[in-house]
Amino acid sequence: EDQVTQSPEALRLQEGESSSLNCSYTVSGLRGLFWYRQDPGKGPEFLFTLYSAGEEKEKERLKATLTKKESFLHITAPKPEDSATYLCAVQVIYGGSQGNLIFGKGTKLSVKP
Amino acid sequence: NAGVTQTPKFRVLKTGQSMTLLCAQDMNHEYMYWYRQDPGMGLRLIHYSVGEGTTAKGEVPDGYNVSRLKKQNFLLGLESAAPSQTSVYFCASSQQAWGYQETQYFGPGTRLLVL
Repeated sequence: EDQVTQSPEALRLQEGESSSLNCSYTVSGLRGLFWYRQDPGKGPEFLFTLYSAGEEKEKERLKATLTKKESFLHITAPKPEDSATYLCAVQVIYGGSQGNLIFGKGTKLSVKP
Repeated sequence: NAGVTQTPKFRVLKTGQSMTLLCAQDMNHEYMYWYRQDPGMGLRLIHYSVGEGTTAKGEVPDGYNVSRLKKQNFLLGLESAAPSQTSVYFCASSQQAWGYQETQYFGPGTRLLVL
């Protein structure tokens, strides 16, 4: 069964304290891995798509990386406005889901000033 | 360019009542989706559509029906609401490329409370 697991469930950082969020996956065939940011009371906002192991993408203080079994979202010198829930989703090639996304439960990030 | 919009934003229903949630997108996307999001659980796919006039079941379709009469609209219906359908509902849309769905873009959500 295709699965996506995110860790930790919650992460509290001080402003400027860098860290990483993890997304591990077990899928029959990976077509792509997606990262989204979700603010309270709002819909998920697209951040990155990664397609192959070794690929990296950056946006401001965020950097996403991909291996054959997991993805990391690195946050460098975070600011309070980076506080949000970060969602990971995988798109599989094979099986009944036909390319639909399978989401993890998310990591809730809090950055204190 | 509004992206994906959803109406209503919030609704309270009594058990057994019916309602329709409306999703609209102005990006000319082929694919549209309905998800529900519950505390402690990831987004779960209810139904989706790969084009005008088509619909398909997702992971949790029971108790819901959908229709895609126009390419830009995707309706989610609850025929007889139950407390277990209390949730936040998100609509999303995506384009198709090389036979695969591309990035999904989400609406702001509809909060539904069933008493």
